[in-house]
Amino acid sequence: ILNVEQSPQSLHVQEGDSTNFTCSFPSSNFYALHWYRWETAKSPEALFVMTLNGDEKKKGRISATLNTKEGYSYLYIKGSQPEDSATYLCGLAWGGYQKVTFGIGTKLQVIP
Amino acid sequence: DVKVTQSSRYLVKRTGEKVFLECVQDMDHENMFWYRQDPGLGLRLIYFSYDVKMKEKGDIPEGYSVSREKKERFSLILESASTNQTSMYLCASSLEAGGYYEQYFGPGTRLTVT
Repeated sequence: ILNVEQSPQSLHVQEGDSTNFTCSFPSSNFYALHWYRWETAKSPEALFVMTLNGDEKKKGRISATLNTKEGYSYLYIKGSQPEDSATYLCGLAWGGYQKVTFGIGTKLQVIP
Repeated sequence: DVKVTQSSRYLVKRTGEKVFLECVQDMDHENMFWYRQDPGLGLRLIYFSYDVKMKEKGDIPEGYSVSREKKERFSLILESASTNQTSMYLCASSLEAGGYYEQYFGPGTRLTVT
């Protein structure tokens, strides 16, 4: 079983603060790294698909980078807002049909 | 919009009962997945299916089986429910686009086995 680690497990920040969290993985033998946002009582929704070393994606105030050589991806949130409060999941797509192994997630709470 | 629906949001069953969790997707996706989510353990893959009647075990298949008789529907079966199967169950479907697969999730079923 592939081991995908996320840190920290939980995070509290003040509204307006910028924050980042990490996804680390042991292997460069994968198809893609996925970031999902999972809000309470909703379905996880896709944020980014990262595919190449040095890949960088951005959506509004949220961005992500990927370093396959050193085995990590960072997710950044600039100027956190209460609506950013959610669990952020990282998953590595590998093997047949690109099944995804997920980390345990980082639970972000933005305090107004 | 892709829609993945699950038959129940909350379910309470007794130990030993046979339990069916149903998942339906409306976008003709080839692949479908069942996960369970537990505190401190994250999302773990139970089974997945890449075509009608085709299935593969995930990381934690013990105590579960699946059925995919139609492309849009993927069922998870607990043959004899046990208390350690109390969990949040999520279904997902995916389709290849540009060489990569993005998964679309249902809202989850919170199952309690007493």
